[in-house]
Order: sequence, then structure tokens, then C-alpha cells
Amino acid sequence: QQPVQSPQAVILREGEDAVINCSSSKALYSVHWYRQKHGEAPVFLMILLKGGEQKGHDKISASFNEKKQQSSLYLTASQLSYSGTYFCGTETGSNYKLTFGKGTLLTVNP
Amino acid sequence: DTGVSQNPRHKITKRGQNVTFRCDPISEHNRLYWYRQTLGQGPEFLTYFQNEAQLEKSRLLSDRFSAERPKGSFSTLEIQRTEQGDSAMYLCASSSTSGRTDTQYFGPGTRLTVL
Repeated sequence: QQPVQSPQAVILREGEDAVINCSSSKALYSVHWYRQKHGEAPVFLMILLKGGEQKGHDKISASFNEKKQQSSLYLTASQLSYSGTYFCGTETGSNYKLTFGKGTLLTVNP
Repeated sequence: DTGVSQNPRHKITKRGQNVTFRCDPISEHNRLYWYRQTLGQGPEFLTYFQNEAQLEKSRLLSDRFSAERPKGSFSTLEIQRTEQGDSAMYLCASSSTSGRTDTQYFGPGTRLTVL
């Protein structure tokens, strides 16, 4: 089952904050966040694991609500380089297989 | 660490032709994944290997698709008798066992256009 991301798109001015949400109808084992710029490969940002473990980017924070099967990615003091499409990939068991959402297009303007 | 590489980067073919894509993972990564991505969608899982063993295949992977990873190093994805619906970006990712889950690192992809 594909996770649902919201919003579908967001436009910010430099320095503003944004929150991107990812929710699943299935119990989650882990959530993986990626950013993809047009024509490029998805770039790893962060992993959140059931039980509270996190691995990833120093300047990006995220939360994982295991009871609600939701994760949120927090982008603070946005920079132009944050522009791109953000994807969450969910793992519903310890099987290394990710199911990705449709993405959230983030545009940061000067 | 040179990253995941994929070749070719672009492929244009006529309907009915066979195509083969190559993925070279990050050295010593034991897992290798293939995904397909279409416009406005996230990557869709196709198959993955642990070393040379193909452990899972998506139902999206019809009989026309086959993937191999001989000797557990590079991998190839072949599509036989291509159809226009096969037009997409084909992404490869690799990972190594690290704790409770893997971090998958993606290559730049091969963009396939079927005319």
C-alpha cells in the first residue's frame, strides 16, 4: 500500500519553514526520506526506525509516530537548495523493501 | 566511494525491440535494487538482490522483464519486446547491511523512451 504524502506541493520564500507529512495504512517498521531534483537521482536524507532510532542529515529533522503510522519531515530556515521533490519510502517489516509515496514538490523562492 | 552508476543514461528504442540496462553498485554493497519511476510518481519497486540471489520480484515485473546479478557485483535489467508503457526512468540503488535497516543509495537512472 502506497503511503500518502501531504501537501502535494508547497511554495516558500527563503528562510521560511515547511512540514511534509507521510502516512500509511499499514504498521510501519521504518520511514526513509529522500529529496530528488529534476532529472537527478533521489538523495538520501533520513531514516526513522520503529523504536525511536534515527539516522541522517544534521540540518533536517523528522518525527515518527508509530501509533498513527505517520512521519513528518521538518525543514527549517529553508534555503534555495532545498527545492525539489521530497519522497517518503516506507518499510512495513524488516524486509528492506521500500514503498514510496507520490512526493511533495517544494519550491523555495528568493 | 564513487557512487552508484548506471548505463546508458538515456535509451530510445522502437516498440518490440529488446533493451538492456546496467547498474554498478557502490563497491562492497551486498544489496541491489531496481525501481521504475514515471512522471509525477515515486520510485516503484521492481526487484532486489542480496549478493547474486534475486530475493523478491514485484508483480509489476512481467515475463518480459528479467534481472541478473552475476557474481554479486553489477546487475543488468533486460526488457524484451518493449511496449510504449515501458517508457520510464529505471533507477538502481544499492545498500549494505547496517543495523536494523539499510540506507539505499540511488544511481542517476536510465531514461527509456519507447517509440
